[in-house]
Amino acid sequence: DSGVTQTPKHLITATGQRVTLRCSPRSGDLSVYWYQQSLDQGLQFLIQYYNGEERAKGNILERFSAQQFPDLHSELNLSSLELGDSALYFCASSAGTGNGYTFGSGTRLTVV
Amino acid sequence: DQQVKQNSPSLSVQEGRISILNCDYTNSMFDYFLWYKKYPAEGPTFLISISSIKDKNEDGRFTVFLNKSAKHLSLHIVPSQPGDSAVYFCAACGGFGNEKLTFGTGTRLTIIP
Repeated sequence: DSGVTQTPKHLITATGQRVTLRCSPRSGDLSVYWYQQSLDQGLQFLIQYYNGEERAKGNILERFSAQQFPDLHSELNLSSLELGDSALYFCASSAGTGNGYTFGSGTRLTVV
Repeated sequence: DQQVKQNSPSLSVQEGRISILNCDYTNSMFDYFLWYKKYPAEGPTFLISISSIKDKNEDGRFTVFLNKSAKHLSLHIVPSQPGDSAVYFCAACGGFGNEKLTFGTGTRLTIIP
């Protein structure tokens, strides 16, 4: 157990639908990051929150949004889903740089 | 634009020998470099990191070397063990205020018993 909890582990949904992925960071970590891993590709950075505020944005589609709540858990909202959104979505948390980011085990999203 | 590149998608090494995984980057603003190991159906696990002010960092069987002039880093695993079989990702970030990680596409390492 890495200390970063992601739910659900698996999600199957239809095109056009909306889903919410949830992440609880490791205790004490203020930063939460979301990454997307499509088939046979590296992890692509989507967005970072630090203590409730958006800190950095990557190649996140306008159909996707995220937030971090006062208890520091984060949610990634994916809407108007397309087949190409099928991927593994990872959340990571950190207390800082250089000492490694701790990843959750991911949510596998399948859009049919 | 792939700022972090792992040009070998796969590598096979005999058990007990040295495994060398390579990574190249293009962004000279990167400040920290990290290696992650990933098993199927699990999240990446942090292995070892190196700051741009160093050229070597060692942790047990794992050593990371950084050549800033060549914008190249490598991960050495010695001796290689069957449990090392996994996908290894190289990642880089820009330090405080720019902590997002840019990942390479990964190298699948297979240790042959």
